[in-house]
Amino acid sequence: DTEVTQTPKHLVMGMTNKKSLKCEQHMGHRAMYWYKQKAKKPPELMFVYSYEKLSINESVPSRFSPECPNSSLLNLHLHALQPEDSALYLCASSQDSRDGETQYFGPGTRLLVL
Amino acid sequence: EDQVTQSPEALRLQEGESSSLNCSYTVSGLRGLFWYRQDPGKGPEFLFTLYSAGEEKEKERLKATLTKKESFLHITAPKPEDSATYLCAVYNQGGKLIFGQGTELSVKP
Repeated sequence: DTEVTQTPKHLVMGMTNKKSLKCEQHMGHRAMYWYKQKAKKPPELMFVYSYEKLSINESVPSRFSPECPNSSLLNLHLHALQPEDSALYLCASSQDSRDGETQYFGPGTRLLVL
Repeated sequence: EDQVTQSPEALRLQEGESSSLNCSYTVSGLRGLFWYRQDPGKGPEFLFTLYSAGEEKEKERLKATLTKKESFLHITAPKPEDSATYLCAVYNQGGKLIFGQGTELSVKP
């Protein structure tokens, strides 16, 4: 089974709201990722967690706050977002964070910031 | 600079009309080339990983091949359900997976 699940599927929030995106995998993978994808563009890496520790932060604004409570779960906390943050947010996981590992993606959360 | 370029940007085929998508890459020390399929509004679905020149992998109507500079995704006798955006990606020197811009495939009945 190569399934990564994400909730919610859709989210609409105002610029003053606080919300969280959730991601879960039960493949025993030890690396998890957040990507952002705008329409007609490829995914862009935001964060990488390896063995539950943040290993890469691609200079993402502090209004995005990742959290990895355990090896199966990954959250992305959102606060004071801007309309330009509207996008498809993708979670992925891989066996570990070594180069060459296949990343498996979830279905994504479609975020709209008003 | 590590780079992935896909062509064409868009491809329209008639059902049954075979064709190929191209992914050319420049990276120091290839550590895997990955093909994904993405339907609108959904996450990328993993198709293939290729690690060394000469390697080939097949799945239903799709066949991926790899040379030292590029990869091809061959689609044999495509069906309308093969319509999607196909993404190719490689790991760069910093350990990040970098994607090409994708090829949007449309197969008409």
